[in-house]
Amino acid sequence: SQQGEEDPQALSIQEGENATMNCSYKTSINNLQWYRQNSGRGLVHLILIRSNEREKHSGRLRVTLDTSKKSSSLLITASRAADTASYFCATYYTGAGSYQLTFGKGTKLSVIP
Amino acid sequence: DAGVIQSPRHEVTEMGQEVTLRCKPISGHDYLFWYRQTMMRGLELLIYFNNNVPIDDSGMPEDRFSAKMPNASFSTLKIQPSEPRDSAVYFCASRFRGPLEEPGELFFGEGSRLTVL
Repeated sequence: SQQGEEDPQALSIQEGENATMNCSYKTSINNLQWYRQNSGRGLVHLILIRSNEREKHSGRLRVTLDTSKKSSSLLITASRAADTASYFCATYYTGAGSYQLTFGKGTKLSVIP
Repeated sequence: DAGVIQSPRHEVTEMGQEVTLRCKPISGHDYLFWYRQTMMRGLELLIYFNNNVPIDDSGMPEDRFSAKMPNASFSTLKIQPSEPRDSAVYFCASRFRGPLEEPGELFFGEGSRLTVL
């Protein structure tokens, strides 16, 4: 079953605006990661946030993590047309005895020039 | 660095045929993962290897699916016989070992798009 669930499923914004995507998960985690997938391509890692971190930045990306609410958000500031892609959160969860990354179904972001 | 290399990129086959997908992970990576992506189910982990040994194959849907990793630089995912519901994009990914409690990022290949008619 899916560990992470993104919200919204699809998001359309104008170039220059900020885009916020949310992720909720179900069990305790070691870390949470965000990936981007351009149409017809493989996934590319964007950022990793550990379970003891609350916020992390990388360029125009800002990720927050709230372990009490089992949720994370990805903010892309000053969006560009090249940011058009699907964005996935993924979690490593504890207690499973098998360290694997479980992905949500993604948010499809469209940035209109 | 060439990244994770998958072949073929596209495969169209008829129901009942055998399909073999191939993956070359990044040199030095200890873990290799096979995922399947569909619109309905998203990304599903099928199986993963550590140092060429299969660790968890609980995601393999049926006995028709099998995966091998004969050495550190090559893995195959085989479907025999194939069925239309196997149509999907199959991704291979690899990563360094890293600390056990802090698994790091995965590096994905470009995927193999399989269509079974």
